[in-house]
Amino acid sequence: SQTIHQWPATLVQPVGSPLSLECTVEGTSNPNLYWYRQAAGRGLQLLFYSVGIGQISSEVPQNLSASRPQDRQFILSSKKLLLSDSGFYLCAWSVRGGTSARETQYFGPGTRLLVL
Amino acid sequence: KNQVEQSPQSLIILEGKNCTLQCNYTVSPFSNLRWYKQDTGRGPVSLTIMTFSENTKSNGRYTATLDADTKQSSLHITASQLSDSASYICVVRGGATNKLIFGTGTLLAVQP
Repeated sequence: SQTIHQWPATLVQPVGSPLSLECTVEGTSNPNLYWYRQAAGRGLQLLFYSVGIGQISSEVPQNLSASRPQDRQFILSSKKLLLSDSGFYLCAWSVRGGTSARETQYFGPGTRLLVL
Repeated sequence: KNQVEQSPQSLIILEGKNCTLQCNYTVSPFSNLRWYKQDTGRGPVSLTIMTFSENTKSNGRYTATLDADTKQSSLHITASQLSDSASYICVVRGGATNKLIFGTGTLLAVQP
């Protein structure tokens, strides 16, 4: 069966410090991968998605970047964190090539980031 | 503008009671609508998905309905349990770019 891992689970970082959040998927190959942010009282916001190694699409301009160095590894990074980067970061995967009408995204456990 | 709005924002019910959560959307064109359950501090888990031609979908004690004409969906929870306490998120896929548009969720608390 497929599983998705995220770490760390919780992170407290000072403003201006770098960030690296990691997401890995097991039990599947060639997945679509996604990074979302969920701010308090707000809906999930898609940050990045990837359909393959080295292929990253950014949904919103921001202080963050993403990379996919391996097929089942997705990394969210920042060189200098801002207070507004605080939130709950979720990684998700879906089957590549499936029809969007029935596509299911499977979410990881999330990373709670607090920037002070 | 493509939007998904959910009501109520929060809800408290007693264990064993039924409840209904609402989702209204303005997304066009419409592809599908999905309900997710998100436990506190966890990632969302899919409950149901409905396309344009489906108006009811059940998953155990969860029953979702879809009225594509009025662009409304509801999630009915029967005989609530303490483990139903969570945020329930309505997600619509559609719009010109066929992307997922998330509602802000309804926070449900089931009390003994």
